[in-house]
Amino acid sequence: QKEVEQDPGPLSVPEGAIVSLNCTYSNSAFQYFMWYRQYSRKGPELLMYTYSSGNKEDGRFTAQVDKSSKYISLFIRDSQPSDSATYLCAMSETTNLIFGKGTKLSVKP
Amino acid sequence: NAGVMQNPRHLVRRRGQEARLRCSPMKGHSHVYWYRQLPEEGLKFMVYLQKENIIDESGMPKERFSAEFPKEGPSILRIQQVVRGDSAAYFCASSPRQGVGETQYFGPGTRLLVL
Repeated sequence: QKEVEQDPGPLSVPEGAIVSLNCTYSNSAFQYFMWYRQYSRKGPELLMYTYSSGNKEDGRFTAQVDKSSKYISLFIRDSQPSDSATYLCAMSETTNLIFGKGTKLSVKP
Repeated sequence: NAGVMQNPRHLVRRRGQEARLRCSPMKGHSHVYWYRQLPEEGLKFMVYLQKENIIDESGMPKERFSAEFPKEGPSILRIQQVVRGDSAAYFCASSPRQGVGETQYFGPGTRLLVL
């Protein structure tokens, strides 16, 4: 079993839809959870950062962490074509980040 | 404030040659991480360095790969005698402090193609 599992998609939604992205993990020692956005041929850009369990909201983005289920989610409200990118979940126990494979999202106008 | 800079952005090497990838961290950051992204794979941690010190190289292949972060100048990831399987995107990240959970800021990556 991989440490971090993430459905690679691709996921295609119409503009304005609510998008739900998620990852599962196996290591209960993970304490820090992140979502990065990566546009094609670019470096990952930090979107959301959460420590331990709970919710965090930033504009149209909401990150949720459920440590009891080892499950994290990213919700995007009112999705825009500019949200089209690959979304990577990442988590850490130490200084190293463990990434999922990424979910490719396409938001159609 | 300039972000993390990497060069070259694209690098083509023939099998057996050496590849040198450079990373300049964000201003004020003294901690550098290297990750590799193989096609259809997620980013994999390779090595974590501070100035003049390798802190964690648990993700580095045992042979042909080395990294340094000298007192002056950029961090260098060096791959000797490259093979086709080394073709990947190599990303550098930096953080201002050491510590679990410190935010890592990524550069644009170097895309290495081995012919």
